[in-house]
Parts: sequence; structure tokens; C-alpha cells
Amino acid sequence: AQSVTQLDSQVPVFEEAPVELRCNYSSSVSVYLFWYVQYPNQGLQLLLKYLSGSTLVESINGFEAEFNKSQTSFHLRKPSVHISDTAEYFCAVSEPAAGNKLTFGGGTRVLVKP
Amino acid sequence: DVKVTQSSRYLVKRTGEKVFLECVQDMDHENMFWYRQDPGLGLRLIYFSYDVKMKEKGDIPEGYSVSREKKERFSLILESASTNQTSMYLCASRLGTGGYEQYFGPGTRLTVT
Repeated sequence: AQSVTQLDSQVPVFEEAPVELRCNYSSSVSVYLFWYVQYPNQGLQLLLKYLSGSTLVESINGFEAEFNKSQTSFHLRKPSVHISDTAEYFCAVSEPAAGNKLTFGGGTRVLVKP
Repeated sequence: DVKVTQSSRYLVKRTGEKVFLECVQDMDHENMFWYRQDPGLGLRLIYFSYDVKMKEKGDIPEGYSVSREKKERFSLILESASTNQTSMYLCASRLGTGGYEQYFGPGTRLTVT
């Protein structure tokens, strides 16, 4: 069975500093990878996804993630965070051959300080 | 834009009560999902449905059941609520064939006392 590990449960960061959220997954087959964001008191929104092709994927608000098959990782980065990036971030994986059910990591809470 | 709505944002129930959580999506999606979200555990799949009247157990179905009589509506039922079912419940929908992204509702925070 697949599993997802987010190594940091909380990441405090100052405004305009870079941030990296780590995500590792375990699966022996081809996977799709996702990052979702949950702003306070809201549901989850898709931030970015990797399905195939280029291993570096970007979001419209400056986040990027890189799929590393050999290390089974999908770390999320942003070079300069804003106060509005304060949220909880979830890494998720699905196996196309298994009906594309999502398995989520435990989440990383990012707190951006002024 | 896809819209997924949940019947309540906050709900307080007593132990032993029967609880219904309703979810409605407006994009004609085939697939619908119920998750519970707990701190440090992320989201865990309770049940999902690939189509009307079809349901499959997720990772933690014990103590829950579901109903999908219409395509747009997916209900989660707690037959006899217990305190360990206090949690945030999130509903999601997804297009069937070719769909990858799940669209989430705002969540229902259920407290069982």
C-alpha cells in the first residue's frame, strides 16, 4: 500500500524568506503526485500536480515542486513567501492502476511571520 | 467553477445520535468522496462512490455508512455517533474517466459530546 510522509508538521518562516516542504512517498508503481493547500477555515484547493513529463511543476502563485523518482520525493518550494501563504499544505499520491484514490500525508502547517 | 457544498460548517451531537452529513456538487461529477481530517494524520478516506447507488469502503469505514441516490448528492451517515468520531469531515468530487483533481467542500466540524 502506498503511504506519504511529510517530514515537518510545522514550518515557521519570515516573510520574503524561502520555504521548502518535504514530501516522500512509498510506492513501487507509477504514481501521480499532488500538493493541496488549505487556508484557514476553508476546504482543500489543488496547488499543483505531477502526472507525467517535466519533473518540475509550477503553480500560478510562485510555488514549484520537483518529482524525484529515485528518491521517491515531491518537495514543494517557494523562493519568497508572503503572509497570505500561511496555510496547511498536504502532499498526496495516487496510483492510476488502483483507481486514482488519493493517499494524503499528515500535512505541514506554514506560519509566515512579518 | 466547480462548487462542492456541505450542509453544515459546525455540528454538535450527542453520543448515540444518528448523524447525517450532506454533500452536493454542481458539476455532474461521477466520483464523490468522504474524508475525515485529524491533526497530524492528514485526510483519511472513509467511503467513496464511483456512480449513483455505488459505494466502496475506504481506509476507515467502521462506524460510517453512505448513500448516493442522486448523482449530485453524497451523504455520510454516523449510525450511532461516538466521541472518537469528533473530527473535521471533508467531501470531495471528481470527474470520472480522465479526472485527476478532486474538488473539496469547506468541511463540517463535528463535535460529539
